[in-house]
Amino acid sequence: DAGITQSPRHKVTETGTPVTLRCHQTENHRYMYWYRQDPGHGLRLIHYSYGVKDTDKGEVSDGYSVSRSKTEDFLLTLESATSSQTSVYFCAISESRQGAQNIQYFGAGTRLSVL
Amino acid sequence: QQQVKQSPQSLIVQKGGISIINCAYENTAFDYFPWYQQFPGKGPALLIAIRPDVSEKKEGRFTISFNKSAKQFSLHIMDSQPGDSATYFCAASGNYQLIWGAGTKLIIKP
Repeated sequence: DAGITQSPRHKVTETGTPVTLRCHQTENHRYMYWYRQDPGHGLRLIHYSYGVKDTDKGEVSDGYSVSRSKTEDFLLTLESATSSQTSVYFCAISESRQGAQNIQYFGAGTRLSVL
Repeated sequence: QQQVKQSPQSLIVQKGGISIINCAYENTAFDYFPWYQQFPGKGPALLIAIRPDVSEKKEGRFTISFNKSAKQFSLHIMDSQPGDSATYFCAASGNYQLIWGAGTKLIIKP
């Protein structure tokens, strides 16, 4: 999975608890992304980062926050998990966001269940 | 204007047959059209991609056909094999964005 490690791979948590998912890359790519994947919805962008401490919202950012204190690490936090956030979460990286250079490499995913 | 519409949502093809997945876009600023393949329990991975100045690109059994005037592109898998069973995503890149189709679950029956 292109030098991308997601942890944990599986997580079960209770409604209302905070959850943090970690993405670690060894490729030194500038851009990092968090997606969620749900049946019928494909991949939806939650947040992305274009450098250390530089982040921006995606299309489904409500209820999520992110942080990037080092090039290699991108954290996704669910402030207070809800059942609607039960999903598979993917981290991706890319060297660029321009055209043909916007090739994204994905981690293996984290399966999160909020009970 | 930012959507990429993908069809069908699911597809069952006999081994040896041709699998065809279609996508349509609206934003003419897109300048790169990749297809990603995802196996169960894995993240998506780039399969094949095309630029809009080319009408067709072939890599092995996988071919992208691109119709710029209709703003449509499609993935053809020739001689489909059970190992091709996966979810396929089309996408469109441009304006510093990558817009994804909703995915097609392909099952190849032996």
